Amino acid sequence: GQQLNQSPQSMFIQEGEDVSMNCTSSSIFNTWLWYKQEPGEGPVLLIALYKAGELTSNGRLTAQFGITRKDSFLNISASIPSDVGIYFCAGQKTYQGGKLIFGQGTELSVKP
Amino acid sequence: DADVTQTPRNRITKTGKRIMLECSQTKGHDRMYWYRQDPGLGLRLIYYSFDVKDINKGEISDGYSVSRQAQAKFSLSLESAIPNQTALYFCATSDSSGNQPQHFGDGTRLSIL
Repeated sequence: GQQLNQSPQSMFIQEGEDVSMNCTSSSIFNTWLWYKQEPGEGPVLLIALYKAGELTSNGRLTAQFGITRKDSFLNISASIPSDVGIYFCAGQKTYQGGKLIFGQGTELSVKP
Repeated sequence: DADVTQTPRNRITKTGKRIMLECSQTKGHDRMYWYRQDPGLGLRLIYYSFDVKDINKGEISDGYSVSRQAQAKFSLSLESAIPNQTALYFCATSDSSGNQPQHFGDGTRLSIL
């Protein structure tokens, strides 16, 4: 099946550092989504991207929809301990009725 | 109150047992989805439904069945559970207009012994 390659798989950083993670695919998507999952909870939507080249921010988070529509990245600036969790990218194709293809996740640990 | 509610939150059962996981939503969304999550594999789609009684197979539907008898409810069944179905299961919903994001429940942790 289709796959998204998300990297890195895990990150251990110091509080205050910036973080960058990305997803790449061999196929084109119409929408890119970034979710965060905390222990014992379901994924929560952080940012949705709908146009190639789109750059969107949500507080300290910034995400971009790649020009080729085959990739996306998420940056977190000035990380804080509550940023800890697993971050997932997901791609969506309009003609597939909204089905999501998920990346494998990036597990973020922040040391105070 | 949660918009997407999954029950039970945790379940331990034995191989061969029939299991049903329930999902209900108050968002008024037409589309509902069931995923399973395994470490290092992200979330994989099991089944999805665009409307009442509409059922579609996802990436990994073997060994599972679903039922959508009402807009607000989507249940997932394991007819004869096996140990490799041990996983986290998530229900999600989305609006039917365009490419709307999916909203997830808090999951059911299922262990098959």
